[in-house]
Amino acid sequence: GNSVTQMEGPVTLSEEAFLTINCTYTATGYPSLFWYVQYPGEGLQLLLKATKADDKGSNKGFEATYRKETTSFHLEKGSVQVSDSAVYFCALPGGSSNTGKLIFGQGTTLQVKP
Amino acid sequence: KAGVTQTPRYLIKTRGQQVTLSCSPISGHRSVSWYQQTPGQGLQFLFEYFSETQRNKGNFPGRFSGRQFSNSRSEMNVSTLELGDSALYLCASNDRDGIYNEQFFGPGTRLTVL
Repeated sequence: GNSVTQMEGPVTLSEEAFLTINCTYTATGYPSLFWYVQYPGEGLQLLLKATKADDKGSNKGFEATYRKETTSFHLEKGSVQVSDSAVYFCALPGGSSNTGKLIFGQGTTLQVKP
Repeated sequence: KAGVTQTPRYLIKTRGQQVTLSCSPISGHRSVSWYQQTPGQGLQFLFEYFSETQRNKGNFPGRFSGRQFSNSRSEMNVSTLELGDSALYLCASNDRDGIYNEQFFGPGTRLTVL
């Protein structure tokens, strides 16, 4: 079945540093790919998505490109802020395209220090 | 539109008891999925309901059950609680007619089993 592997954290950065969180996946076909973010004490929020190969998802300064050649969907941000401190999850559908099941990576905790 | 709502937000139960959690999806969304989040296992899919029918099921024991009502609201029940059931339970909804599998999450119910 589909699976996703995320780089382990925690990641600690200074404000305005460059962020990369690696995510690689195994899937049948070319499913949509997602990054979710979880702030302390909250549920998950969709950060960005890409629905086909070579798509670039972007939101709030974060970007990720769907790379089918390397089966990767790395999350990047050019200049992080303290408010970006959260847990980030890479995810993809658990089966066919029409399913409510998502498979999540183990999550990467990001701490940004002023 | 109002987001996904979950009640209660916090619960404390003792071993052997049962618990029922409630989820109201975004208006118009017919699919509701449930996830368990723990520090050790991460985010794990429990089940999905669509139009009052269970369509997908994760690898959890039969003590975990759910249902969906005609207004798409969903409940999950855990019987004979164990210490290991302590977790954040997240509900997510989506418009299953869409093709991108994007899930919208509620804030979760934090269950503590003593």
